[in-house]
Amino acid sequence: GDSVTQMEGPVTLSEEAFLTINCTYTATGYPSLFWYVQYPGEGLQLLLKATKADDKGSNKGFEATYRKETTSFHLEKGSVQVSDSAVYFCALSSTSGGSYIPTFGRGTSLIVHP
Amino acid sequence: GAGVSQSPSNKVTEKGKDVELRCDPISGHTALYWYRQSLGQGLEFLIYFQGNSAPDKSGLPSDRFSAERTGGSVSTLTIQRTQQEDSAVYLCASSLEASGSYNEQFFGPGTRLTVL
Repeated sequence: GDSVTQMEGPVTLSEEAFLTINCTYTATGYPSLFWYVQYPGEGLQLLLKATKADDKGSNKGFEATYRKETTSFHLEKGSVQVSDSAVYFCALSSTSGGSYIPTFGRGTSLIVHP
Repeated sequence: GAGVSQSPSNKVTEKGKDVELRCDPISGHTALYWYRQSLGQGLEFLIYFQGNSAPDKSGLPSDRFSAERTGGSVSTLTIQRTQQEDSAVYLCASSLEASGSYNEQFFGPGTRLTVL
């Protein structure tokens, strides 16, 4: 079945540092890929997505590129802020069967210090 | 506009009791999803509804778990004879529809269930 593997956290950075959170996946066919973010005490929010190979999703300074050859969708940000502290989930959505049931990774906690 | 709401936000119950968790999706969203988030784990898919029907119940962990949706709106997840391993955060999400091109899921804040 489909699976998503993301790096274990917590990831602890100083403000303005460069961020990478690795995500790799296993899926049949051509899934869509997503990053969701969960701020403390809140529900998950879609951060960005990519629906086909070589697409780059971007939002709020975060970027991720759909790499089919390496089955990866790593999340990056050039300069993190304290307000980026949250849990980040990588997910994929398979097109199998015509319905979209996402498969989520375990989440990576990001802590940004001033 | 109003987002997805869930109630209660916290529920503490004794082992063996039944619990009901409620989800109010965004108005107009035909698809509704239930997930379970255990400590240190990712989101575990439980069930989804398209309208009032549940095409995929494969994620329900046991026959103690059931869910229904009425009027294409509110959904209730029921756990009978709760066990300690049921303790988790139960998340609900809704989207415009569940098929065709992918539609963004909007999540509620979750219900934290603790079984003593």
